[in-house]
Formats: sequence, C-alpha cells, structure tokens
Amino acid sequence: GIQVEQSPPDLILQEGANSTLRCNFSDSVNNLQWFHQNPWGQLINLFYIPSGTKQNGRLSATTVATERYSLLYISSSQTTDSGVYFCAVSETSGSRLTFGEGTQLTVNP
Amino acid sequence: NAGVMQNPRHLVRRRGQEARLRCSPMKGHSHVYWYRQLPEEGLKFMVYLQKENIIDESGMPKERFSAEFPKEGPSILRIQQVVRGDSAAYFCASSRSADNQPQHFGDGTRLSIL
Repeated sequence: GIQVEQSPPDLILQEGANSTLRCNFSDSVNNLQWFHQNPWGQLINLFYIPSGTKQNGRLSATTVATERYSLLYISSSQTTDSGVYFCAVSETSGSRLTFGEGTQLTVNP
Repeated sequence: NAGVMQNPRHLVRRRGQEARLRCSPMKGHSHVYWYRQLPEEGLKFMVYLQKENIIDESGMPKERFSAEFPKEGPSILRIQQVVRGDSAAYFCASSRSADNQPQHFGDGTRLSIL
C-alpha cells in the first residue's frame, strides 16, 4: 500500500514564529488532506488539497503531486496551534485514507 | 448543516461486554468510513461502507468486529467480547462520493475497557 511520511516528528516554536511541515507519499493520489488534532482529540479538517495551493488565514498548503509531496505552512503561530498535524492520502485506486504518523507541534507563549 | 455525528463520545465497557458505536454521516453523504486511533498512534483505516453494502473491510480485525450501514439510520461499528487492547478512539468519516471528495470526520468515540 501507499506510504506516507511526515517530517519533522516533533516541533517546538515560540509564539509568533513560522513553520513548514512536510508530507511525502509513495504513489499517485486522488485525495490529500491535512488535519489538526487538538489537545481534546478532535480532528479538524484544514485542507483538501490533492494538488495546487490553498490558503486559509495564517495557514496555507501546497501539494506538488508530480513530485509526491505536500507542505503545510503555519505563519505567526499561536499557542492554540499546538497539537498533532496529520497528512492523509488515498491512492487513485481506492478511497480509504492512509495517515502519516503526524507532526507534534508545541507553541510556547 | 450538521457535521458527522458520533455517539456516544465516551464509552466504558468491561472485558467481555459488547460495544456499539454509532455514526450519522453529513446530509447528502452516502459513503462512510471508520478509523481507529490507538493511544499515541496515528489513525488506521478499518472499513468503508455505502448504504447496505460493505465496500472495503480490509482494515477490520477478522474476529469480534463488524460494521453495518443500513438503509435507514446510522452506521454501526460493533465490537463483541471487548478486550483491553480495544481501548482506542474510533473515528467515523463521510464523503459525498468515493472519488475526488474530502472526507469529513466526526469527533470520535473514546472507548475504554476496564
């Protein structure tokens, strides 16, 4: 099956800093989503981005499908950005999502 | 427009009991997915259903686990004779179609086995 690798596994920032999270995947995809799992365990859907670039406030994402990677940018980070960020993809042959292991982000005040 | 609704949010069972987890998809969505998140791990796919049909159950444990999505009512994930290792967060997601559509997730059910 498809492999999904996220980096870095852990990231500690001071409030106000910018960061880039990376997601590499091993095969062609027809779905790529970024999620934020908050400290209460809820999964927040950030982006549906199988290709191209999208922006939503301080967050933006870019997927280069031909090179099999996606990037999530967080600008001017806030303590409420803390949590785990997951990348998830589905192969062109199916619809189930395969999740990466996540990036644990801690934003300190 | 209500999102994916899961209940209960928390469920406590003793070893050997049955657990039933419910999921109502978003309005207009006929595709339902169940995922499991073990403590300190990522989410793993379990099963994909459409109304009255199981499409892909390749991620389901072979024994004690079953899922259904009847013509009327929510999707049900059923775990019989629960064991400590079943303690996890179970997430349900729904989508409008199988291809090129985002999956929308519920808040999950936290299952604890005593």
